[in-house]
Amino acid sequence: ETGVTQSPTHLIKTRGQQVTLRCSSQSGHNTVSWYQQALGQGPQFIFQYYREEENGRGNFPPRFSGLQFPNYSSELNVNALELDDSALYLCASREGGAGKETQYFGPGTRLLVL
Amino acid sequence: AQKITQTQPGMFVQEKEAVTLDCTYDTSDPSYGLFWYKQPSSGEMIFLIYQGSYDQQNATEGRYSLNFQKARKSANLVISASQLGDSAMYFCAMREEEYGNKLVFGAGTILRVKS
Repeated sequence: ETGVTQSPTHLIKTRGQQVTLRCSSQSGHNTVSWYQQALGQGPQFIFQYYREEENGRGNFPPRFSGLQFPNYSSELNVNALELDDSALYLCASREGGAGKETQYFGPGTRLLVL
Repeated sequence: AQKITQTQPGMFVQEKEAVTLDCTYDTSDPSYGLFWYKQPSSGEMIFLIYQGSYDQQNATEGRYSLNFQKARKSANLVISASQLGDSAMYFCAMREEEYGNKLVFGAGTILRVKS
């Protein structure tokens, strides 16, 4: 158990809809990152948040957006869902500061877009 | 160019034997970190081991060790005394200092432990 939780565990949406995924970081972790893992592939970095501000983004369109809250929990929002958005979405948290390198992942949310 | 290359799509190992999973990486950043994660069929990404680019000694965590050869840009995972529960997908990942927390993952190696 990493202490990182995600909700919901599974979700089915239709094309064009919007979805919000949630992540609760491990206690004391002020940095959260989101990843998309398509079937049979490694995770791809979406973006990261540090102290409520986005400070890094991967190659994902603007319809992927996020928030981080004062308690360091986080949301991933995806608008105008496409079939290719079907994937496992993982969030990961880590402590800030040098020497605290490891990111700990939650169990993920499996999103299916029909 | 691929940042992380895992050349073994799948591996088999006999229970109680050791197995090496290969990982090579590509970076020009002098400060980077290398990670191995295990992903069972449930989907959760489980951290196994970390090696920093400036670490002088190979990292070890219980039955896991990382064979870090900096000049060859390789970071192979060695699992000793394999157990049936080790059957899973294994990912090598890299974090580069200039890109903050972003982890770049390889394609993964699926490991099957035979009894």
